Amino acid sequence: GAGVSQTPSNKVTEKGKYVELRCDPISGHTALYWYRQSLGQGPEFLIYFQGTGAADDSGLPNDRFFAVRPEGSVSTLKIQRTERGDSAVYLCASSLYGGKTDTQYFGPGTRLTVL
Amino acid sequence: AQKVTQAQTEISVVEKEDVTLDCVYETRDTTYYLFWYKQPPSGELVFLIRRNSFDEQNEISGRYSWNFQKSTSSFNFTITASQVVDSAVYFCALTGGSQGNLIFGKGTKLSVKP
Repeated sequence: GAGVSQTPSNKVTEKGKYVELRCDPISGHTALYWYRQSLGQGPEFLIYFQGTGAADDSGLPNDRFFAVRPEGSVSTLKIQRTERGDSAVYLCASSLYGGKTDTQYFGPGTRLTVL
Repeated sequence: AQKVTQAQTEISVVEKEDVTLDCVYETRDTTYYLFWYKQPPSGELVFLIRRNSFDEQNEISGRYSWNFQKSTSSFNFTITASQVVDSAVYFCALTGGSQGNLIFGKGTKLSVKP
């Protein structure tokens, strides 16, 4: 079956612009996670959705970052007024039920470059 | 605080050598899960194994084996008879809370030379 997909694979933008990153989870997975991976680092948690609701957004760095999952499937991570420090690979993962007992499967990521 | 430490930043071996990747974790949770993921040059994180805190039995899957020791808070990963295709960055991760968000180490870059 299809895995987690993310679009675009690469996004180059200018400082101050708005960007949207999309994640399409594995079909039937109720839980969806966003992570950010900077060069040479491990992924860092941003936000977790259970169904349509954000169950934990404690990892979002500031209010320029926002994410939605309106129908409980596809999710969009939105970044306003982008800064050079936002440059990173944004990873999406999904799991069947969510919670600590479940395994997360990752997508290929979106590489965001802010010039 | 919860933390995962992978002290080895980079390891280089010659094909057919055995190699062990170290992972040490910190957590106050009594129930937690540990994971290993592989990130090849293509960038996608590939799930390798999940282990819960109550199961200290070692696991072997082909050339891969994992040694979980609660007494030393370690979850080490050994590749036997390494191959060039094993070249990747390997991440150890710990469940950070009841929601399941993962806390990753910084990764170990493994290079296997022919």
